Amino acid sequence: ETGVTQTPRHLVMGMTNKKSLKCEQHLGHNAMYWYKQSAKKPLELMFVYSLEERVENNSVPSRFSPECPNSSHLFLHLHTLQPEDSALYLCASSQVLSGGRFSPDTQYFGPGTRLTVL
Amino acid sequence: AQSVAQPEDQVNVAEGNPLTVKCTYSVSGNPYLFWYVQYPNRGLQFLLKYITGDNLVKGSYGFEAEFNKSQTSFHLKKPSALVSDSALYFCAVRDDTGRRALTFGSGTRLQVQP
Repeated sequence: ETGVTQTPRHLVMGMTNKKSLKCEQHLGHNAMYWYKQSAKKPLELMFVYSLEERVENNSVPSRFSPECPNSSHLFLHLHTLQPEDSALYLCASSQVLSGGRFSPDTQYFGPGTRLTVL
Repeated sequence: AQSVAQPEDQVNVAEGNPLTVKCTYSVSGNPYLFWYVQYPNRGLQFLLKYITGDNLVKGSYGFEAEFNKSQTSFHLKKPSALVSDSALYFCAVRDDTGRRALTFGSGTRLQVQP
């Protein structure tokens, strides 16, 4: 596997289900991100982890719960979602350089998980 | 606050003709600017970025972009379009004040006709 991988690629769940999205990066990066891409809306950042610490949280509802156990893996735990949460969820990673949070690093994206909430 | 505007929902161009996809931005500090491309049912693929230095940036697949500070623009260009360039293109910006989030434009669909 190369780059950033995401599983599953497609997920259909009911509003009472609990599921998790998984992201794995094979690039040796030290920062990981979750984005949401809804129809007809710009990509929205959800969470940022840098060196396994959550450094940004973009006012995401608590029904979305991220987990970053190490620098290569990122999870998004889902519970009691709403139909409006249906979207493409994209994971990205980057290498934060010596400038720390000022580093102009490039984010590389996975293929996404297409989530449908019934 | 930072923002990105892509004024065209769709750009149509004939194969072999030059193409331009427009982007303007607003940031508090100095901008880091990026272009990504998204093919159907795929994630975003990095094309190029501007950090500092030469205003003309060259990227993947023959694409280039020109940074214009006075017009706060970062338009994507290619001298000769290919049918395979048809996709959704996103401009994104960060500033140098420390926040890590990329702010994306709404995207421009490029359609290259044979």
